[in-house]
Amino acid sequence: KAGVTQTPRYLIKTRGQQVTLSCSPISGHRSVSWYQQTPGQGLQFLFEYFSETQRNKGNFPGRFSGRQFSNSRSEMNVSTLELGDSALYLCASSSPTGFNGEQFFGPGTRLTVL
Amino acid sequence: QKEVEQNSGPLSVPEGAIASLNCTYSDRGSQSFFWYRQYSGKSPELIMFIYSNGDKEDGRFTAQLNKASQYVSLLIRDSQPSDSATYLCAVNAESGYALNFGKGTSLLVTP
Repeated sequence: KAGVTQTPRYLIKTRGQQVTLSCSPISGHRSVSWYQQTPGQGLQFLFEYFSETQRNKGNFPGRFSGRQFSNSRSEMNVSTLELGDSALYLCASSSPTGFNGEQFFGPGTRLTVL
Repeated sequence: QKEVEQNSGPLSVPEGAIASLNCTYSDRGSQSFFWYRQYSGKSPELIMFIYSNGDKEDGRFTAQLNKASQYVSLLIRDSQPSDSATYLCAVNAESGYALNFGKGTSLLVTP
C-alpha cells in the first residue's frame, strides 16, 4: 500500500506570495491532518479534515486554510507569506478503523520564504 | 493551551543501556498517548501508543502511562546507535485525530 504523498517536496517563495501544498493520504484513509514543524516551536497542529469537513483547527491565523476533496486528497494554502512561515509542513492520514490518533506522516514539504 | 512537555536533551546513553524518555501533559481529559520517532531530515514514524494506565511492551520498547500524575514515558532497552533520533511525545487533542506534540527529546546512543 502506498504511503502518504506530499507535493511539492521543496518550495521557495517570497514574502507576500501565496502557496498551495498538496497531500494524498493512504488509500482508504479519510482523515487528513496538517502540521507545521519549526526548530523553535516543534510540531504544531494546523487543521484536520474528515470527509471533506474541517473537524479541528489549531491556533494559526486565518492566512492558513485548507480543504479536502471527495477522494480524500487535501490541500493547504498559505496566503500573504511571512518569513516566519518558513517550515516543514507535514501531512498525516488516519484510518477510520485504526486506533484513535494513529497517524501516518508523509515526507513533508519544506517551505522557504525569502 | 494544552501543553505537552519534554526535556529537549540531548540524552546520551551507551550502546546496550536503557534509555528513558519522559513526557508530561496538562490536559487531564487526554485519552490517547503516542510516541513517535523522527530521524534527522525524515518525517515522524509511530513507535507506540498507550491509553491505559500501566505498562505496554513492544519488543525493546515499553511505554508507561500514569494518568494521575499526568506523565507518560518510553523506555528503550538494549539501545542501539540506530535508535539515535528525536522522540516526540503526542497526546490526542479534542475530538478527531488531531495531536498535540511535545518538542521532542534528542537521543544519542554512543557505540
